[in-house]
Amino acid sequence: DAGVIQSPRHEVTEMGQEVTLRCKPISGHDYLFWYRQTMMRGLELLIYFNNNVPIDDSGMPEDRFSAKMPNASFSTLKIQPSEPRDSAVYFCASGQGWTEAFFGQGTRLTVV
Amino acid sequence: GESVGLHLPTLSVQEGDNSIINCAYSNSASDYFIWYKQESGKGPQFIIDIRSNMDKRQGQRVTVLLNKTVKHLSLQIAATQPGDSAVYFCAENIRTVYRDDKIIFGKGTRLHILP
Repeated sequence: DAGVIQSPRHEVTEMGQEVTLRCKPISGHDYLFWYRQTMMRGLELLIYFNNNVPIDDSGMPEDRFSAKMPNASFSTLKIQPSEPRDSAVYFCASGQGWTEAFFGQGTRLTVV
Repeated sequence: GESVGLHLPTLSVQEGDNSIINCAYSNSASDYFIWYKQESGKGPQFIIDIRSNMDKRQGQRVTVLLNKTVKHLSLQIAATQPGDSAVYFCAENIRTVYRDDKIIFGKGTRLHILP
């Protein structure tokens, strides 16, 4: 298996634009996690899914952020509209259990 | 993806020496702990874990020690190699009163290996 695959690796966008980050989890993993990493706040859990169902989205910073998992092999994290303070590295991770997380390479988002 | 960066505590260790990375946690309800390694440009990678009913667990060249009395976790790396250069995070699983689990990551420690 190629591991968790995220795209794009880098994204530069203007403030106010919509941004969509994509994730393909490892096949057979029931859990999918979206994390955000910044210098100030470290690594934060935004939302996680179990069997494609969102379980806990309490880490999503505000309504501008949304995540979907239409099937077991694909998830998106959308920011609309984007703001400069959303600049961060966003990681997707998947696992067979709640405490197991294999991380992707991340998407570095820069909002100017 | 870069890890947290400039404001991380840094541990510099001579190649071949043992490294000890420490982590303090604050929640006595934490029942499971994980150490992750993050190399530059990559996502965190699982190293080793330990449950709260244990005080020590060993892996290949790594040992995790848990002291619940003082809420302290440490990662020991034996015979440190250049490939061990990375940022190391501890993470704790907190079980809330509603029996929801939350994984909380620490800020990380940068391990720098001296030649």
